[in-house]
Amino acid sequence: SQTIHQWPATLVQPVGSPLSLECTVEGTSNPNLYWYRQAAGRGLQLLFYSVGIGQISSEVPQNLSASRPQDRQFILSSKKLLLSDSGFYLCAWSAGGGYGYTFGSGTRLTVV
Amino acid sequence: AQSVTQLGSHVSVSEGALVLLRCNYSSSVPPYLFWYVQYPNQGLQLLLKYTTGATLVKGINGFEAEFKKSETSFHLTKPSAHMSDAAEYFCVGGGNKLTFGTGTQLKVEL
Repeated sequence: SQTIHQWPATLVQPVGSPLSLECTVEGTSNPNLYWYRQAAGRGLQLLFYSVGIGQISSEVPQNLSASRPQDRQFILSSKKLLLSDSGFYLCAWSAGGGYGYTFGSGTRLTVV
Repeated sequence: AQSVTQLGSHVSVSEGALVLLRCNYSSSVPPYLFWYVQYPNQGLQLLLKYTTGATLVKGINGFEAEFKKSETSFHLTKPSAHMSDAAEYFCVGGGNKLTFGTGTQLKVEL
């Protein structure tokens, strides 16, 4: 069966520090991969998605970036965090079409 | 542009009462529709989905939803609410890129 792992679960980082969140999928190949952010009291905002290794599409211009160094690995990064980067970050994968998404358990990021 | 609209950001029901969470989608959304549930500080869990076939779909935890193309709706229902149903619910539409509603927080009261 397919599983998705996301870590860390919680993270407190100072303003200006770098960020690296990792997401891996097991049990499938060539998944579509996604990073979402959920700010307090707001819906989900799609940040990045990838349909293959090295293929990244950005939905919202910001100081975050994403990379897909391997087929089932998706990394969210920042060189310098801002206070506004605080939120709940969710990774998801999909086989496409009507299969829907399977979400990771999320990372609660607090920038202080 | 694709859009999914959830009517009511907060819904409160009594335990044992009918749960009805409303969702409408724009006609430009591909006919793949989903309901997800999110418990505090957790990821989203798929409740049910409509892709093709029967328009009344049943999901986990006693929830069901009916796809009504003429009304562009996909409302979520459960005959009898339980305390454990308290969570945030998201209506979602689309294919490779999903369009999320803004969520409905369901509160279940004794």
